Amino acid sequence: KAGVTQTPRYLIKTRGQQVTLSCSPISGHRSVSWYQQTPGQGLQFLFEYFSETQRNKGNFPGRFSGRQFSNSRSEMNVSTLELGDSALYLCASRRGLDTEAFFGQGTRLTVV
Amino acid sequence: TQLLEQSPQFLSIQEGENLTVYCNSSSVFSSLQWYRQEPGEGPVLLVTVVTGGEVKKLKRLTFQFGDARKDSSLHITAAQPGDTGLYLCAGAVRGGSNYKLTFGKGTLLTVNP
Repeated sequence: KAGVTQTPRYLIKTRGQQVTLSCSPISGHRSVSWYQQTPGQGLQFLFEYFSETQRNKGNFPGRFSGRQFSNSRSEMNVSTLELGDSALYLCASRRGLDTEAFFGQGTRLTVV
Repeated sequence: TQLLEQSPQFLSIQEGENLTVYCNSSSVFSSLQWYRQEPGEGPVLLVTVVTGGEVKKLKRLTFQFGDARKDSSLHITAAQPGDTGLYLCAGAVRGGSNYKLTFGKGTLLTVNP
């Protein structure tokens, strides 16, 4: 059974640009959550999607957005990139509304 | 907002030593999960504890959920270099038909050979 797949693994962008990250959840999982991880702040919750609807949202500016498709794949978009957006972005899938989350390997975003 | 405090933040020990890391909150959780994350990788789920007072063992790792379901501990016996990593706890709170996970900042464990 394939795990959570995130693409790309590494990304370098320039300030002001935008970026789109992709996450394919475990087959049969309908919930996808996104997290930002930095050394100083730890894992911070961005948002969660379930059946194409945003269920929960963290305290991030509107530059961070996401969506989920009918096949449960999800994308996250960050516009007008800032240096502080450099982080490991993690996606986690859950089967439904139960609790166990399974993470992908993450996308390492560097903004220069 | 539920906050999870993990301690210690950093831990460096020699191979063969025992250690305990803690995860504490003032909130009650429906369940609590422990993850281990290696550099450049995503967190990997180790265990989920659900019942207050529950103890689960995974080889040399022992996980305990507090009686009041507000805290948890992870004890490692005879640590090995392969145990090195960031240990994260995550508490689940049920709100309606949904569960929300709150993560601690983690304990960075280094086991030296």
